Amino acid sequence: NAGVTQTPKFRVLKTGQSMTLLCAQDMNHEYMYWYRQDPGMGLRLIHYSVGEGTTAKGEVPDGYNVSRLKKQNFLLGLESAAPSQTSVYFCASRTFLGGNEQYFGPGTRLTVT
Amino acid sequence: DAKTTQPPSMDCAEGRAANLPCNHSTISGNEYVYWYRQIHSQGPQYIIHGLKNNETNEMASLIITEDRKSSTLILPHATLRDTAVYYCIVLNAGNMLTFGGGTRLMVKP
Repeated sequence: NAGVTQTPKFRVLKTGQSMTLLCAQDMNHEYMYWYRQDPGMGLRLIHYSVGEGTTAKGEVPDGYNVSRLKKQNFLLGLESAAPSQTSVYFCASRTFLGGNEQYFGPGTRLTVT
Repeated sequence: DAKTTQPPSMDCAEGRAANLPCNHSTISGNEYVYWYRQIHSQGPQYIIHGLKNNETNEMASLIITEDRKSSTLILPHATLRDTAVYYCIVLNAGNMLTFGGGTRLMVKP
């Protein structure tokens, strides 16, 4: 039982490049989330999903797109990366009945130069 | 969701109890108190949550005052591995987690 995994762990992009971050969970959770964390700051919610085929915007959605084609996967896309998107990205999941007990992945460290 | 106030940092001796306070004076009746922690460079980890009653699990105890305006997270026997930022979050069951500044707990040998 791997829990929540994220791919890749590290990435360096040049301004304007695109990439996709993959989050996978093997706990059959309905809800999945993408957060970003800037140095010295708390986490901020980018997008979330309450089930397969559904997505919704969080607090800081601009510059990102997401897709949830399979229940176990939640993809975060950056179409045209900007230096302001340099951050650590965390994925999380929880059950429908799990209140706000979220399980987090180890994070992806992204640098945009 | 109600706002929370936590001290920015605390120290604790290894093996002693760590008591982390949180003020949430504007909490409403249907809002829960959640605690998470984030060990350096890792994803946040759920610790415990409660509504009115005190709660205990294998990681910690949560003491909520009778008027619910404050709470304390207790790590009964802190170890060096408990050094982390601890977040107190108050919210309705269906709302999103919002992580503020938290308390940076340093457990010292």
